Amino acid sequence: QQQVKQSPQSLIVQKGGISIINCAYENTAFDYFPWYQQFPGKGPALLIAIRPDVSEKKEGRFTISFNKSAKQFSLHIMDSQPGDSATYFCAASGGRTGGFKTIFGAGTRLFVKA
Amino acid sequence: EAQVTQNPRYLITVTGKKLTVTCSQNMNHEYMSWYRQDPGLGLRQIYYSMNVEVTDKGDVPEGYKVSRKEKRNFPLILESPSPNQTSLYFCASRGDRRNQETQYFGPGTRLLVL
Repeated sequence: QQQVKQSPQSLIVQKGGISIINCAYENTAFDYFPWYQQFPGKGPALLIAIRPDVSEKKEGRFTISFNKSAKQFSLHIMDSQPGDSATYFCAASGGRTGGFKTIFGAGTRLFVKA
Repeated sequence: EAQVTQNPRYLITVTGKKLTVTCSQNMNHEYMSWYRQDPGLGLRQIYYSMNVEVTDKGDVPEGYKVSRKEKRNFPLILESPSPNQTSLYFCASRGDRRNQETQYFGPGTRLLVL
């Protein structure tokens, strides 16, 4: 089964707080796990991505935590800002064994209160 | 400027009237893909192409056709549109099929089928 389950559907966080979005996958052939950020009226844009050979990747205020044994990964946004208000999608894709497909989660609408 | 362009951006049509949504990228990318975005379902892959004349089905290919005659263009064809194809469509491209670092998305095409 090639599903990616994302939670929560929506999230409200105070400015300066930590936003956490979780994803779980099923297909062990996936070898690339990106997070995309989408603002209204725009296409998704790559935010940060990780491969399963590392457990954590940090870029500025954004961190991905990856648990290969549990087949779960999460996005942490530190010091959340109103400008971070957007829809976030996790995704998983596989190379040759995964068929070159990309499977997206259902998305999380984040609202950061000023 | 590196970009993926789609046309038209908005389209209203009637059931059964064939339509084509064009997609073009200027980054010499091998891999191109079409997605549809629906509320609560995230992005679902329709078709993808790993190179000229090489296309394959994604997760929701029914009712759609694609072609890849040139590297830069990847049109999406709806031979006989139906109301359940009302959606927001995104074209995307990325470089070497083994390098999944960044998938660039177009601005989206909002389609309404009456």
